[in-house]
Amino acid sequence: GDSVTQMEGPVTLSEEAFLTINCTYTATGYPSLFWYVQYPGEGLQLLLKATKADDKGSNKGFEATYRKETTSFHLEKGSVQVSDSAVYFCALSYPPPIYNQGGKLIFGQGTELSVKP
Amino acid sequence: DAGVIQSPRHEVTEMGQEVTLRCKPISGHNSLFWYRQTMMRGLELLIYFNNNVPIDDSGMPEDRFSAKMPNASFSTLKIQPSEPRDSAVYFCASSKPVYNEQFFGPGTRLTVL
Repeated sequence: GDSVTQMEGPVTLSEEAFLTINCTYTATGYPSLFWYVQYPGEGLQLLLKATKADDKGSNKGFEATYRKETTSFHLEKGSVQVSDSAVYFCALSYPPPIYNQGGKLIFGQGTELSVKP
Repeated sequence: DAGVIQSPRHEVTEMGQEVTLRCKPISGHNSLFWYRQTMMRGLELLIYFNNNVPIDDSGMPEDRFSAKMPNASFSTLKIQPSEPRDSAVYFCASSKPVYNEQFFGPGTRLTVL
C-alpha cells in the first residue's frame, strides 16, 4: 500500500542554519504531496504542496520539489529561525476519485525540529 | 473565516466513562476527517465522511469508538467505555469539494485515568 517515510528526529539546528528534512514515498498512482507543520499545542497547518512531478511547492522560505524518479519530496529552508521549531509532517493524497469527495491523507511519522538561538 | 472548531479542548475522565468529542467543520467543506495522535503511533486516520456519509472507518480501533455526522456542520466522536490507552490528542479536519487540502482543528487532548 501507499506510505510515507520521513527522517527520524529530533533535528537540532542553530539559527540561520540550512535545513533539510528527507521524505520519501511509496505510491501506486500519482499522488499530490504535502508538508504540514504542527507548532506546540496546535493542530496541523498546511505548509506547502505539489500536485505533479517536478512541481516545486514553497511558502515562508520553505521549499520542496516533487521528484518522481526518486519518489522524494524533501523539505528545505536556507536559514531557519527559532520560530520554525515545530514538528513537520510529509503526506500524500490522491485527488478525489469521485467528484465532490475529498481524499484521505497518508502521513509520515513526523520530524521534530528544534532551532536554538 | 472561522477555522475548524473542536470541543472540548481538554478532557479528563475516568476509565469506563463515556466521552464525546465534537467538531464543527469549516462552512462549505463537505469532507470531514477524525485523527488520533499519540507518541507511540503517530497520526492515525480513524474515520472520514463525505457529504455526511462515512466513507472509510477502517481506522476505528474497536467497537468502543463510534462517529456520527448528522449534518454538514457537526460531527461527534464517541468512546464508550473509555480506557487509559485511549489517551491521545484527537484532531478533526475538513476539506472542500474536489480538493484534497485538509484544514485541521486545534485538537482535543483526552486523558483517561
